[in-house]
Order: sequence, then C-alpha cells, then structure tokens
Amino acid sequence: NAGVTQTPKFRILKIGQSMTLQCAQDMNHNYMYWYRQDPGMGLKLIYYSVGAGITDKGEVPNGYNVSRSTTEDFPLRLELAAPSQTSVYFCASRQLREENSPLHFGNGTRLTVT
Amino acid sequence: DQQVKQNSPSLSVQEGRISILNCDYTNSMFDYFLWYKKYPAEGPTFLISISSIKDKNEDGRFTVFLNKSAKHLSLHIVPSQPGDSAVYFCPPPYGGSQGNLIFGKGTKLSVKP
Repeated sequence: NAGVTQTPKFRILKIGQSMTLQCAQDMNHNYMYWYRQDPGMGLKLIYYSVGAGITDKGEVPNGYNVSRSTTEDFPLRLELAAPSQTSVYFCASRQLREENSPLHFGNGTRLTVT
Repeated sequence: DQQVKQNSPSLSVQEGRISILNCDYTNSMFDYFLWYKKYPAEGPTFLISISSIKDKNEDGRFTVFLNKSAKHLSLHIVPSQPGDSAVYFCPPPYGGSQGNLIFGKGTKLSVKP
C-alpha cells in the first residue's frame, strides 16, 4: 500500500499566486487532516475532515480552503499565497473515530512563497 | 476541552543512557494515548500507545508509563541511540466530537554519541 501520498514535494510560489496541495490515501480512512509546520515550531492543524463531504476548521484555517468529494482525496487550496504561508504541509489520515487508531502521515510538501 | 502539554521543548542525552519524555494532561476522558516520532523532512510516525486501563506498555527499547492520579504520561527510551534523535509528540487521541486533533510543539530529543 502507498499509504498517504502528497504532491508536489516542493513548490515555490510568488505572492498572490494560487495552488492546490494534493493528498490521497489508499487505506479507506474516514478521517483526514492537514497540518503545517513552520521552522522550529510544532504541527498546527489547518483543516480536517471526518468523511466525504464533511470538513471543519482547525487552529489556523485562514488563507486556506479544502474539499472532500471522495474518501481518498483531501486537497488543500491556497488562493492568494502570502509569505506567511511558507511552511511544510503534512496530510494525515486515520480510521474512524477510534482512540487507538494512529494517524498515518504523508512526507510533506515544502512550500516557499516569495 | 482535551489538553495535553509537553513542557520540555528539548532534551539532550548521551548514547546508552535513558531518555525520559513527559506529557501532562488535564482531561481524564481518554481511553488511549499515542506517541509519535518525527524526523526532519519526514511526516510523523506512530511509535507506541497505552490504554487507560494499563499503567505501562513496553515495546523493545520504548516503554510508556501512565500515572492516572497525576494525569501524567512518560515515554522511556532505554538505551538511547543516536537514531532516536527526533521530535516526539503525545497529542490527545482525538479532540472534541469530530476528531479535531491538535499536535503541539513536541519535545526534541538529541542523543549524542
């Protein structure tokens, strides 16, 4: 199994440009998450989804949008890129709402906005 | 609100010695705690978990202890190895009613040869 796949691995954007970070999982997990990690900082939750068609805001949702049209995919959209969005973005998934089911993370997308 | 705090942002230990990473929590409504490990340029990976009905769970060099009366969780690594150098997280297993899962800053462990 591929697990959680994130594309692209790296991207450089100019201020004001838009892009979509892709995330796909092949484990039929209901829950999916988007985190960002700034240099020297921990993981901050951007958005999450508990199933297809259902999304909700996390700690730092401003400047981002998500959609969940299928169980497998959870893309993250940046509409007007700003330097403050320079970060490493991680997508994760887990099975149902079971406390002992761990998150499975992708290897991240490193985004630079200049 | 489910809160878990890692009060030590970093820890440095010598190879072969014990590493102890700590978490404190405020809400007792947990059934499991999970620890994750993260290397630079990689996503976090699940390390070990513990059920609230236990006070200890061991997996090789890694042991997690749960002190329910003190609302305290600790991860012991014995013996520590340079490859254990990473950031360790102990997030709440889930948050709220919809799975809002906050990770926080973690503890950066450095194991020196």
